[in-house]
Amino acid sequence: QKEVEQNSGPLSVPEGAIASLNCTYSDRGSQSFFWYRQYSGKSPELIMFIYSNGDKEDGRFTAQLNKASQYVSLLIRDSQPSDSATYLCAVCLSSASKIIFGSGTRLSIRP
Amino acid sequence: NAGVTQTPKFQVLKTGQSMTLQCAQDMNHNSMYWYRQDPGMGLRLIYYSASEGTTDKGEVPNGYNVSRLNKREFSLRLESAAPSQTSVYFCASSERVGAPNQPQHFGDGTRLSIL
Repeated sequence: QKEVEQNSGPLSVPEGAIASLNCTYSDRGSQSFFWYRQYSGKSPELIMFIYSNGDKEDGRFTAQLNKASQYVSLLIRDSQPSDSATYLCAVCLSSASKIIFGSGTRLSIRP
Repeated sequence: NAGVTQTPKFQVLKTGQSMTLQCAQDMNHNSMYWYRQDPGMGLRLIYYSASEGTTDKGEVPNGYNVSRLNKREFSLRLESAAPSQTSVYFCASSERVGAPNQPQHFGDGTRLSIL
């Protein structure tokens, strides 16, 4: 089992709709969780981080964490064509020694 | 406001050649990382340095060596390049490993091709 798993997609969502991206992790003691956005040919850029159970909102983005289910998600409201990118989930392991990335979900917003 | 700077941006090598990828950060971060990214594989950690003077293996360290030259600089060396090492290499830094609100900042990447 991979330490961090994401559906590779592509996930196609109509403009203006909610995009829902999911990530599961295997290390139950993982401490903190990050969502990065990566445009083709570019480096990853941080969107949000979360480390407490529940929801965290920042503009059109909401991160959700459920440690009991070992599940973290990212919701993008009012999706825009500029949101089309690959979204990477990253998890800081319980040993706090390193951060492991998922393989990413490719999101496509169709006009 | 440079952040994390990687050199070179592109490189083509022949099998068996050696080279060093350079990375420098100006954010006074303690921790630095090297990742490789292959199509459909996400980012895989090669080596990291939690603090100046320390280095540790990540998920895919074979075929690589690293040096944390000082707090600012963290280099990645390929001693004998192999075609399987063709990839995009990213350097990143963070205030420290494991801090829940301390994300990693990435350089622009080095696109390396091994023929």
